[in-house]
Amino acid sequence: DAKTTQPTSMDCAEGRAANLPCNHSTISGNEYVYWYRQIHSQGPQYIIHGLKNNETNEMASLIITEDRKSSTLILPHATLRDTAVYYCIVKTDSWGKLQFGAGTQVVVTP
Amino acid sequence: KAGVTQTPRYLIKTRGQQVTLSCSPISGHRSVSWYQQTPGQGLQFLFEYFSETQRNKGNFPGRFSGRQFSNSRSEMNVSTLELGDSALYLCASSLRAGGGTDTQYFGPGTRLTVL
Repeated sequence: DAKTTQPTSMDCAEGRAANLPCNHSTISGNEYVYWYRQIHSQGPQYIIHGLKNNETNEMASLIITEDRKSSTLILPHATLRDTAVYYCIVKTDSWGKLQFGAGTQVVVTP
Repeated sequence: KAGVTQTPRYLIKTRGQQVTLSCSPISGHRSVSWYQQTPGQGLQFLFEYFSETQRNKGNFPGRFSGRQFSNSRSEMNVSTLELGDSALYLCASSLRAGGGTDTQYFGPGTRLTVL
C-alpha cells in the first residue's frame, strides 16, 4: 500500500473549518484514501473514504485531487470534541491491514 | 446497531503469564482484525480473521496468536508476556461482503499492562 505524509500538528479555532492535508504521491489506481481519527486512548473512529471522487458525509468532506496524489479532509465547523489525532491511510481492497502513520494532531481551541 | 465490543477493557498481568482478549464484531460483520498500539511503535497490525481462518498476519512473534469462532467472535492470545507487550490492543470488524472496498470499525480497545 502507498505511504502517506501528513503534517505533525495543526491548530484550529472552534467554529471554523479545519482543512487537513495528506500527500499520497505513490497511490495506485485501485487504492482508496481512508481517514480515521483517534481521540486520546480510544479506538480509532472511521470518518470517510474515497477513490477518486469527492465525498461528503455527516462528519466531514474529502477532497481528492484529480491526479489522486493528495487529498484534504475538511471538518466544516470544528468543535472542541474534534480534538484528536487524524490518520490518512491508503488501502487496497485486498486482504490487508490498515497502515497507520503518525497522523496529524489537531487541537481545536475556543 | 451495537458497535465492536472488547473485553476486558483493562488488564494487569505479570511477566511470563499469558492473556486472552476477546472481541465481538458488529452484527453481520465477518472479518475481525487485531492491532497493537504503543507509544513507541504506534498502531501496528497483528492479524486478520475471516471465516475462522487467518487471512493476513503482521510482523509479530509467534507468542501472539488468535482465532475466530463460527459466530465471528474472535480472541487473541499472548503467551509468555514481556514488559514490551504493554499496549492498547484494538479489534476492528468489517463486512467483507466482497466487491468494492471494505471499511474497518474499531472497538474501544483493551489496555494491557505487564508488570
